[in-house]
Amino acid sequence: DAGITQSPRHKVTETGTPVTLRCHQTENHRYMYWYRQDPGHGLRLIHYSYGVKDTDKGEVSDGYSVSRSKTEDFLLTLESATSSQTSVYFCAIRGGGFEQYFGPGTRLTVT
Amino acid sequence: QQQVKQSPQSLIVQKGGISIINCAYENTAFDYFPWYQQFPGKGPALLIAIRPDVSEKKEGRFTISFNKSAKQFSLHIMDSQPGDSATYFCAASGVTGGGNKLTFGTGTQLKVEL
Repeated sequence: DAGITQSPRHKVTETGTPVTLRCHQTENHRYMYWYRQDPGHGLRLIHYSYGVKDTDKGEVSDGYSVSRSKTEDFLLTLESATSSQTSVYFCAIRGGGFEQYFGPGTRLTVT
Repeated sequence: QQQVKQSPQSLIVQKGGISIINCAYENTAFDYFPWYQQFPGKGPALLIAIRPDVSEKKEGRFTISFNKSAKQFSLHIMDSQPGDSATYFCAASGVTGGGNKLTFGTGTQLKVEL
């Protein structure tokens, strides 16, 4: 699992509430990523980070923000959750080469 | 815009047979092509990856074939086993600058029958 943990693993929340998902790594990798997985779409990049306080947008960044104040933690925030953000969220880290390793995922349901 | 097209959507193969999954890409800046295997309830696991400087890469029963001129690459699973039943995703990225952002195909559900 490349030393990646995600929390929470499951969450149900109501429309309009803020939600923060956490990704934690133990191996001091510089690059970290947030993807969402939806049926028929594969995985799509939301945001990524290339260092502490260095982040950039991905393909589906609208409605999401991220923060990285420490190398080991990458947070994904939904400022005001919507039903379209119901999904499975995966964090990934980039290893020593170009490979990316994924965490176990967080299943988020917005009612 | 779907930059990586994957087919078939689902595949049933007999035990011992060859499973073949195909992907095509549009962005000529892509130069890293991994395949991931995902079991239900788990995160995607890196299976094998290729760069465009070679046309084929083999690791155990898994082989990637790469055709740069056609902008296509495929995964071959030899001697398919029931334990290979999973969803497989191809992906692509450009490794020079831009953070190695992966663009994924939509996935292939493989079922290997006894």
